[in-house]
Amino acid sequence: QKEVEQNSGPLSVPEGAIASLNCTYSDRGSQSFFWYRQYSGKSPELIMSIYSNGDKEDGRFTAQLNKASQYVSLLIRDSQPSDSATYLCAASLGGAGNNRKLIWGLGTSLAVNP
Amino acid sequence: EPEVTQTPSHQVTQMGQEVILRCVPISNHLYFYWYRQILGQKVEFLVSFYNNEISEKSEIFDDQFSVERPDGSNFTLKIRSTKLEDSAMYFCASGDSFAGGELFFGEGSRLTVL
Repeated sequence: QKEVEQNSGPLSVPEGAIASLNCTYSDRGSQSFFWYRQYSGKSPELIMSIYSNGDKEDGRFTAQLNKASQYVSLLIRDSQPSDSATYLCAASLGGAGNNRKLIWGLGTSLAVNP
Repeated sequence: EPEVTQTPSHQVTQMGQEVILRCVPISNHLYFYWYRQILGQKVEFLVSFYNNEISEKSEIFDDQFSVERPDGSNFTLKIRSTKLEDSAMYFCASGDSFAGGELFFGEGSRLTVL
């Protein structure tokens, strides 16, 4: 069974701090990894994608991928109250063609306290 | 910014009735998906669609479900003879031709089966 696992939280950080979110996946064939943000009752919103080992930065967000450890993380710097949401990690086999079936984690609830 | 649109936003139906959920993917995208999320649970893949045919479907996507792209813009999910356990948020997503690339989600259709 292909799984993506996340700590459900809640993760609580003060405003301005770094929030660190973690995710592990079971399928070594996974090639593409995504972080989505989901506000309560809303649809997932893409935050970051990462395909290669190492770090990828976009503004206040940094995604990290370690395929050997089957581990993906998301760092949010200078956390803001508006970052309070559930963060979903998703993995897909990726590669050529249409293989973008995403396997999702349950999500980590993040609360940024003013 | 282009977006995926879904209708209706919320539908209430009686058990045993048929429902059709509609989606308008982003116009230059080629890959279309339906996912669902039961309250408090993981997002689950239902089906992927490319070149006017189903490319992959999950175990959930049994004979009760069907998808169709009746014209150049709409992508529909039909659920025949709805059951209580079909109550969920149904998300449509689309992706472009970049293999392994990101998916963009609509706002979702909340289905409540009574």
